Amino acid sequence: EAQVTQNPRYLITVTGKKLTVTCSQNMNHEYMSWYRQDPGLGLRQIYYSMNVEVTDKGDVPEGYKVSRKEKRNFPLILESPSPNQTSLYFCASSLILKTGLTYEQYFGPGTRLTVT
Amino acid sequence: EDQVTQSPEALRLQEGESSSLNCSYTVSGLRGLFWYRQDPGKGPEFLFTLYSAGEEKEKERLKATLTKKESFLHITAPKPEDSATYLCAVQAQMNDMRFGAGTRLTVKP
Repeated sequence: EAQVTQNPRYLITVTGKKLTVTCSQNMNHEYMSWYRQDPGLGLRQIYYSMNVEVTDKGDVPEGYKVSRKEKRNFPLILESPSPNQTSLYFCASSLILKTGLTYEQYFGPGTRLTVT
Repeated sequence: EDQVTQSPEALRLQEGESSSLNCSYTVSGLRGLFWYRQDPGKGPEFLFTLYSAGEEKEKERLKATLTKKESFLHITAPKPEDSATYLCAVQAQMNDMRFGAGTRLTVKP
């Protein structure tokens, strides 16, 4: 089954304790992305990657790191989490067409993070 | 700065009452406009991609259209199972993706 998986699904942590949220896709997609979703603000892009070893900042990259060492995996790293990073996080992946355009994004189930 | 604005924020319809959702955008060099549906507690689910002004896509009771400044999602004779939040997203020249805040649709039986 084609899917994007995220782990963990729920996480409660304390300020300053480094954490990693994993994201994996089994569709051989080139494009992968991380978003956070907050009430009233919608989905905001944190980082995206067009392929292995190629990452770019989205709209809200401060406080986050990513890496793309393998095509299927795109972990999100919070080196020193703060309460304002409490949010619902989604990972997504997409094909890149021969025209260079991306197509539909497949989203993971989400990770609900609480930083106290 | 690139912006995506969706209206209305919330829409309540009776079953069978057709309506339209709006997504207006200002981006430098639109590469694609996407519509997604999101149910509570779940990730967004893809509906349509539109790449150029004048393009239209249809799927069951939904039809998406695109102009140079906005996109509409037309819902014909909606059913209660169409209740969800509908999200619009645009992809600009730099391949980043920008979402609107969404329209929360409720369809009453």
